[in-house]
Amino acid sequence: KAGVTQTPRYLIKTRGQQVTLSCSPISGHRSVSWYQQTPGQGLQFLFEYFSETQRNKGNFPGRFSGRQFSNSRSEMNVSTLELGDSALYLCASSLDLNRVISEAFFGQGTRLTVV
Amino acid sequence: GENVEQHPSTLSVQEGDSAVIKCTYSDSASNYFPWYKQELGKGPQLIIDIRSNVGEKKDQRIAVTLNKTAKHFSLHITETQPEDSAVYFCAASDDSGGGADGLTFGKGTHLIIQP
Repeated sequence: KAGVTQTPRYLIKTRGQQVTLSCSPISGHRSVSWYQQTPGQGLQFLFEYFSETQRNKGNFPGRFSGRQFSNSRSEMNVSTLELGDSALYLCASSLDLNRVISEAFFGQGTRLTVV
Repeated sequence: GENVEQHPSTLSVQEGDSAVIKCTYSDSASNYFPWYKQELGKGPQLIIDIRSNVGEKKDQRIAVTLNKTAKHFSLHITETQPEDSAVYFCAASDDSGGGADGLTFGKGTHLIIQP
């Protein structure tokens, strides 16, 4: 079956702009999480969506937001981009039956560069 | 919140030898511990995971051990091969609250297999 698909793969934006990234989870998976990966901070949890509701949130400013649609596809948005937002943004999906954590499968990520 | 420490940051071993990567975590409520392998230009790939009710799990050349009392867990790779060269991440999470809190990752170990 198809894996987690993230689009676009690469993105260059200017400071102050906003950006929207997209994630299509594995078919049947209901939980979608977003992570930011940078050389300095490593992999950091942004937020998690389940049944169109944000269920958990990491320690990121309000400029980072997301949503999930009824088909489990998810988008994340970053407003007023800063140079420090340059990173690889990863989406992970999991089955999450009975609200018990299950294996998270990652997409290839979207490489965002802010100039 | 949870804090995960991972050692070493770089590990070089001869092909055919074993490699061991160690992680410690701080939150005694964490109950799920996955390991991911990330190759250049790709997203993290789940290679093995363990839950808190199990002390050891093995899958062919890969094994993970968990010591809940000491709050540490380790990845063991035996008979290493060139394709094992990658960055490995440990992670921890707690779903006791009903829904994943998000994975907290270690900083990663760059494993180099010398021919």
